[in-house]
Formats: sequence, structure tokens, C-alpha cells
Amino acid sequence: DIQMTQSPSSVSASVGDRVTITCRASQGVSSLLAWYQQKPGKAPKLLIYATSTLQSGVPSRFSGSGSGTDFTLTISSLQPEDFATYYCQQPNSFPPTFGQGTRLEIK
Amino acid sequence: QVQLVQSGAEVKKPGASVKVSCKAPGYSFTGTYMHWLRQAPGQGLEWMGIIDLRGGRTTYGQKFQGRVTVTSDTSTSTVYMELNSLRSDDTAVYYCARGLGGLHYFDLWGQGTLVTVSS
Repeated sequence: DIQMTQSPSSVSASVGDRVTITCRASQGVSSLLAWYQQKPGKAPKLLIYATSTLQSGVPSRFSGSGSGTDFTLTISSLQPEDFATYYCQQPNSFPPTFGQGTRLEIK
Repeated sequence: QVQLVQSGAEVKKPGASVKVSCKAPGYSFTGTYMHWLRQAPGQGLEWMGIIDLRGGRTTYGQKFQGRVTVTSDTSTSTVYMELNSLRSDDTAVYYCARGLGGLHYFDLWGQGTLVTVSS
């Protein structure tokens, strides 16, 4: 299985801050990577797929980049509703696997 | 708005089985993939299996091989996940999720079903 490792595991930030979360795959996944946002008690929500394609309805302050084994999710200006846990996921090979999550907390 | 609606919470004893349903009212399943994932309390997301709704073919994660069965009823747009020989570490929220196009991204999720395994 491809192991996905996110960093940091948690981050504290303020409204308006720029935040970057990284995801590293144990082997190359081409440009096949997604990011999800999950709030407590809710199902995950797809934000970005194919490394940088925004899912319909996702604000443009979210962006993704990377290829191969190293990827980033950037939130350009944090809004109150962005405080949540974020997961990366690779669909390149079975089984699909997720990072352990990055908890984004209010400073 | 398209959504997936899952069955309600379950409490089971060790060794028992559980069957969780996932329905998409007003939405045709045909031509899509449906996945099952789970999330143990305070933990990350774990993929369990997939069904190709065009023909019913399934693929399961190695960890769940022999214990999980995913089926579908296209006439009611319902997918089912049955997990057998339950253990306490199967306690988790179980999600169905639609595969995006032919890719294994998850673009539409059910609300989750909490399965608690306890003696």
C-alpha cells in the first residue's frame, strides 16, 4: 500500500493567515492526489482532486500543487469556516489511502 | 441536491454481523462506482471496498477480505455493506462515497453510520 504522510499533524492559525499543509507519498502517484476537509461529526468533503482541480463550489482561496511524491494544500486567507481537519488521499493504486490528517485550529 | 442517505446507528456484540445501507434518492447509480470507508473514533479514514454499479464487480481491501461483502440493488439505488465476525476494533463510523467519474476520488458522501461493537 502507498503510505501518505502529512505535516504538520496540527497547526494553529488566525483568520486571514495563509496556511500550507504538505503531503508526501511513499511512492510516486503522478498527479493523482486529492484533498478533503472534515468538520467534527460530519463526512469529509472533497476540496481538490487531480492535485490542483477545485471541486465545484469550493472557494478559490484553496489551492493545490505538487507531483510525484510531494504535494501541498494552501489556504490563502483563512476564514472562520476553514477550521477543520484536512486529509490528502491518493487514488493512483489500490487500495486508495489517506494521510493521517492535519488539524487546523484557531490561534 | 444529490446526497447519499445511510441507515441508522447499530450496536452489535462481538462475533455478530452488521449490514449498512446507502441510498441515493432521485439519483441513478448506473455507471458509477460506490465505495465504503470507515473512521474509528478520533482516527483517520480507511478504505474498505468498492462496487462497480455497471456490473456488480467488487474489490475489497486486503484487511477486510473474507469479512466484508458489498452488494447493490440498482432498482432501488441502494448499496449495502455487510461486515461479519465483528470485533471491538470494528467500532467506527462507516461511510459510503461515490467515486468521481471513473476515478477513485470520493465526491459525494453519505452522512455516516456509527457501528458500535461491544459486549
